[in-house]
Amino acid sequence: AQKVTQAQTEISVVEKEDVTLDCVYETRDTTYYLFWYKQPPSGELVFLIRRNSFDEQNEISGRYSWNFQKSTSSFNFTITASQVVDSAVYFCALSEIRFYNYGQNFVFGPGTRLSVLP
Amino acid sequence: EAGVVQSPRYKIIEKKQPVAFWCNPISGHNTLYWYLQNLGQGPELLIRYENEEAVDDSQLPKDRFSAERLKGVDSTLKIQPAELGDSAVYLCASSLDHGTGGFNTGELFFGEGSRLTVL
Repeated sequence: AQKVTQAQTEISVVEKEDVTLDCVYETRDTTYYLFWYKQPPSGELVFLIRRNSFDEQNEISGRYSWNFQKSTSSFNFTITASQVVDSAVYFCALSEIRFYNYGQNFVFGPGTRLSVLP
Repeated sequence: EAGVVQSPRYKIIEKKQPVAFWCNPISGHNTLYWYLQNLGQGPELLIRYENEEAVDDSQLPKDRFSAERLKGVDSTLKIQPAELGDSAVYLCASSLDHGTGGFNTGELFFGEGSRLTVL
């Protein structure tokens, strides 16, 4: 069975601090996607990044960076120089990769609520 | 391009009453999902449509929940009768999947959700 764990329920930081959100996953699939979504107070989940399991290259996009380690089944997300607008709930998610088929089964973690204080 | 549109944004009803939520996915997206999000938790799948066919409804409580996507575009999720425990946010999402053309794309686009309060 697939499972996503986000052990940090809530994190508070002061603006300009760096913060890392942890994500640990379980799957029996050898190929899969990992995602991070952001849910601001408005409620809409916003896609941030997708990684596939055969590409462990870490990625940096502006103030965001992601550390994917297949050996430890972790896909951590770091925000550098956090800003108040980063305050939101962040979800890590896992889905299988399927060929010649529609859709996929997503499994979401419970989320981490990040509060960035001015 | 318009995103996933859901209505109503908020609904307050008394228990045992019916309620319906509507979702219009992104134009051209063939896969549509309804998710349930309880407070402080991640979304949980209720049902997934591939075009007009419900291909995964294993988590849908079929005694009181029903859904339809008649023309493979917009969709309606209904609860009848509602119970106190149904209070949650109901999220709709869509994706463009290639089916017989190749790998699934792996990205969901979500609406803002419909927040249901059952009194």
